[in-house]
Amino acid sequence: GQQVMQIPQYQHVQEGEDFTTYCNSSTTLSNIQWYKQRPGGHPVFLIQLVKSGEVKKQKRLTFQFGEAKKNSSLHITATQTTDVGTYFCAGPHNNAGNMLTFGGGTRLMVKP
Amino acid sequence: DADVTQTPRNRITKTGKRIMLECSQTKGHDRMYWYRQDPGLGLRLIYYSFDVKDINKGEISDGYSVSRQAQAKFSLSLESAIPNQTALYFCATSDPHGSGSSYEQYFGPGTRLTVT
Repeated sequence: GQQVMQIPQYQHVQEGEDFTTYCNSSTTLSNIQWYKQRPGGHPVFLIQLVKSGEVKKQKRLTFQFGEAKKNSSLHITATQTTDVGTYFCAGPHNNAGNMLTFGGGTRLMVKP
Repeated sequence: DADVTQTPRNRITKTGKRIMLECSQTKGHDRMYWYRQDPGLGLRLIYYSFDVKDINKGEISDGYSVSRQAQAKFSLSLESAIPNQTALYFCATSDPHGSGSSYEQYFGPGTRLTVT
């Protein structure tokens, strides 16, 4: 079945360093979503990418959708302690749009 | 007030007990979902519902059942709890009135369930 994989599973960075998490799907995706879950919290929607090669920015966060629409990345420039949390990508299950398949998440820890 | 609420927030139960987790939402969304979260495994879908008369199995429905009592309420039951059902459970909603792409999901605060 469809699989969505994320790497790395964990990442420790020093505050001010950059961070990137990668998401890879076993199938072509019609779109991809990114969520952030703070420690002890619940997932919160960040963004959706739809077009091949699309790049979107939210302040220090840059999201990319691959040309083949099978991979995506989230890059954070100059991390801050407020960036701590787990970042998940999610794609529509079998591109039906009815349900999402989530990646395993990347847990980001930032040392002040 | 929170748009998606879950009760209880924490629960410890014994093997073999029946337990119900409840979810309510004030967002007016038709679509509701139940996920479980285990470390390193992300969020896995248990069941989902698109309206009061619609119930669908997700990828890990065995050992679980659901009830959609009203548009705003979606409950998850474990008929006979077992230790490997120890996890964090999230309810989520989404709005179907969109362009046909996936719709962002709004999550409740979660229920931490421990089965001993």
